[in-house]
Amino acid sequence: NAGVTQTPKFQVLKTGQSMTLQCAQDMNHNSMYWYRQDPGMGLRLIYYSASEGTTDKGEVPNGYNVSRLNKREFSLRLESAAPSQTSVYFCASSDKRRERLGEQFFGPGTRLTVL
Amino acid sequence: KQEVTQIPAALSVPEGENLVLNCSFTDSAIYNLQWFRQDPGKGLTSLLLIQSSQREQTSGRLNASLDKSSGRSTLYIAASQPGDSATYLCAVSSIFNQAGTALIFGKGTTLSVSS
Repeated sequence: NAGVTQTPKFQVLKTGQSMTLQCAQDMNHNSMYWYRQDPGMGLRLIYYSASEGTTDKGEVPNGYNVSRLNKREFSLRLESAAPSQTSVYFCASSDKRRERLGEQFFGPGTRLTVL
Repeated sequence: KQEVTQIPAALSVPEGENLVLNCSFTDSAIYNLQWFRQDPGKGLTSLLLIQSSQREQTSGRLNASLDKSSGRSTLYIAASQPGDSATYLCAVSSIFNQAGTALIFGKGTTLSVSS
């Protein structure tokens, strides 16, 4: 049981490049989330997916697109990376019961630097 | 809009001291409150989760309290150790549009315990 996995662990991009951050969970959870964490800040919600085929914007969605490919996978895409998107990105998942309890399982994070 | 504030932003104590970390939130309509630990460059580890109907939770040397009506929580760490050095994040679980819930995080308190 790997839990929540994220790839890559580290990435350096140049301004204007595109990339996709991958997230997968093997806990059969319905809900998945993408957060970003900037230095000295807590996590902020980028996008949320309540189930396969549905996505909702969070607090800071600008500059990102997401895709809920299937129940296991939730990807985050930067179409044209900007230095302001330098951050640590965390993926999380939860099921309906745990979601009501506020319990989310977090991946290890992807550290992204945009030059 | 729910906002979570943590005080102090940083704290340095000698080993053996008891200490209190504070968290406040603006909207009392929460499902629960959670304390996380984050080591430098690492992901999040859930320490304690308090449901909105509960007043406190304990785990080993950690005790977290919740006063929903006043919008406050405290994390008490007894007999601190150098291994407790980390950033502690407070997060509340609130309704997110009509699709589910999301965690709203504070910016964290960075704790340093010297031997």
